[in-house]
Amino acid sequence: EVQLVESGGGLVQPGGSLRLSCAASGFTFSSYSMNWVRQAPGKGLEWVSYITVSSSTIYYADSVKGRFTISRDNAKNSLYLQMNSLRDEDTAVYYCARDYWTGTAGNFDYWGQGTLVTVSS
Amino acid sequence: DLQMTQSPSSLSASVGDRVTITCRASQNISRYLNWYQQKPGKAPKFLIYAASSLQSGVPSRFSGSGSGTDFTLTISSLQPEDFATYYCQQSYRTLGWTFGQGTKVEI
Repeated sequence: EVQLVESGGGLVQPGGSLRLSCAASGFTFSSYSMNWVRQAPGKGLEWVSYITVSSSTIYYADSVKGRFTISRDNAKNSLYLQMNSLRDEDTAVYYCARDYWTGTAGNFDYWGQGTLVTVSS
Repeated sequence: DLQMTQSPSSLSASVGDRVTITCRASQNISRYLNWYQQKPGKAPKFLIYAASSLQSGVPSRFSGSGSGTDFTLTISSLQPEDFATYYCQQSYRTLGWTFGQGTKVEI
């Protein structure tokens, strides 16, 4: 069974930093690209970042570019999101999601349960 | 930005009803369109990809259609477990995959 378990969320002040982790199991992590997707309270879904198997290709949404860094450790079956210079509008539940290739990337077939990041003074 | 617009934003339906949700892209996205279901407090669930392909394990009462800019998600006979919010999402533009704003299906 595919499982994705996020951790690392919490309360942080504006301008602060936080590192999210996603532990993967039940599939060959090193064979799949991965994503982070977020959802502000009561709002819709927003894709945040994408990383390929070898970390050779990385994409970010414009809203987080230059502030967030995605990375992975295939030996540890783990995905990470380093978030710096956090803003109020970064408050959201952050999901890690496996990428499902359908001829293009950007299809999210399995999701974790999410971790809440609250940016507030 | 490639915008995705869903309609309606919410709808009321009864068990057994046929429900249709529409998603419109701001430009041609061929068939690079996915649908997700989300229940309160839960992660989204992947329902349909490439506009009309049903993800494994998803009941056949769910179907998708469309291409270009106009797409639909249809639930042929609404079941109690189908009351949720549904999102479309385009996977056409690599730099900036975007979701619709969601359609809440309620009683």
